[in-house]
Amino acid sequence: QQQVKQSPQSLIVQKGGISIINCAYENTAFDYFPWYQQFPGKGPALLIAIRPDVSEKKEGRFTISFNKSAKQFSLHIMDSQPGDSATYFCAASADFGNEKLTFGTGTRLTIIP
Amino acid sequence: DVKVTQSSRYLVKRTGEKVFLECVQDMDHENMFWYRQDPGLGLRLIYFSYDVKMKEKGDIPEGYSVSREKKERFSLILESASTNQTSMYLCASSLGGDNEKLFFGSGTQLSVL
Repeated sequence: QQQVKQSPQSLIVQKGGISIINCAYENTAFDYFPWYQQFPGKGPALLIAIRPDVSEKKEGRFTISFNKSAKQFSLHIMDSQPGDSATYFCAASADFGNEKLTFGTGTRLTIIP
Repeated sequence: DVKVTQSSRYLVKRTGEKVFLECVQDMDHENMFWYRQDPGLGLRLIYFSYDVKMKEKGDIPEGYSVSREKKERFSLILESASTNQTSMYLCASSLGGDNEKLFFGSGTQLSVL
């Protein structure tokens, strides 16, 4: 049972464009939503995270948008750069993150010149 | 920086062998996790541990066991390796309490022939 559904599976964006990755969840107890970034040959690393008390969180070129009523959240990468090419995973957990994380299936992002 | 070290980057084993995957973290983290990563399936939690000698099943524990004799070390054991356990295995740790950030190792690519 996939509790966190992520799309698209792969994404190609031109340099300078906006990359958008979407996730939807089913468990209404989820209250912590991080995004992890993984480069080839490396483990995932925390990129940005949000809690449902806000609808948006921005860190540099990376923004999470959160829609509690729709049970959806998304990652926006503004001014996408070749160095952003990586696999991105959304995730969710309950109890302010003290419960185990459930990951999405991942999105392979490629930024082309 | 937190360092999570996995003992092997690549491992090739035969069907039926007992396999040990070792993971060590150097930042006195309370929590440790084992995930497997498969294309199209994302990261799935196998086992986790909130304390020494404690373990809890994740989403896919069948065919695996774990050991945590010391706080810094968390071992994943495949009692009798099978071909469907060919995968990338990722170890992670977190501080615990209100700090949910996971720190991942670089992974062990296990091939079972």
